[in-house]
Amino acid sequence: DTGVSQNPRHKITKRGQNVTFRCDPISEHNRLYWYRQTLGQGPEFLTYFQNEAQLEKSRLLSDRFSAERPKGSFSTLEIQRTEQGDSAMYLCASSLQGTNTGELFFGEGSRLTVL
Amino acid sequence: AQKVTQAQTEISVVEKEDVTLDCVYETRDTTYYLFWYKQPPSGELVFLIRRNSFDEQNEISGRYSWNFQKSTSSFNFTITASQVVDSAVYFCALSEAGYTGANSKLTFGKGITLSVRP
Repeated sequence: DTGVSQNPRHKITKRGQNVTFRCDPISEHNRLYWYRQTLGQGPEFLTYFQNEAQLEKSRLLSDRFSAERPKGSFSTLEIQRTEQGDSAMYLCASSLQGTNTGELFFGEGSRLTVL
Repeated sequence: AQKVTQAQTEISVVEKEDVTLDCVYETRDTTYYLFWYKQPPSGELVFLIRRNSFDEQNEISGRYSWNFQKSTSSFNFTITASQVVDSAVYFCALSEAGYTGANSKLTFGKGITLSVRP
């Protein structure tokens, strides 16, 4: 069990550029979540997949954001035409449906800085 | 709408002191789940505990204990005999049961930064 892996860990980009983050969940976990965390705040839910199906999306996820999980394994989060307000830590988490603890296993996050 | 309030923003204690982190929540659901997560400097959130709304029994795990009181909508976390390694940001979180499962979407508080000095 290697845990939840996120890449890249840090990304600096210029406003208007597109960026993509990748998340590899724990291998047997069928649920995958994206959260965003800005400085001094708690994580905010963005979206959630069960296998390859995207079951929930937050209103925070504007049209410039798109998330995919094509084969029910890894997931990508793409931000198009980045804005300075997109600067944040993007956290991925996974879990196994049916577990009693409700524990989400988080990755170390991908920090985005938009100049 | 769900809301989690962690009124304390920063707490500093000396090692071996006891410390309580407060959490107050709001929800209209009758079935919900409460969580505490720890975020050390490395950034990775670590699960500590989950409680469902029907179980008000307090829980103790080593130096950690949790006090859940529905009457005051609070789920407080106490660390006994704090240690330097306890220094981290601690988040309280809430989720609805929902049809997609208990852990589908968490609403987090803003977190409490705990510093334990030697």
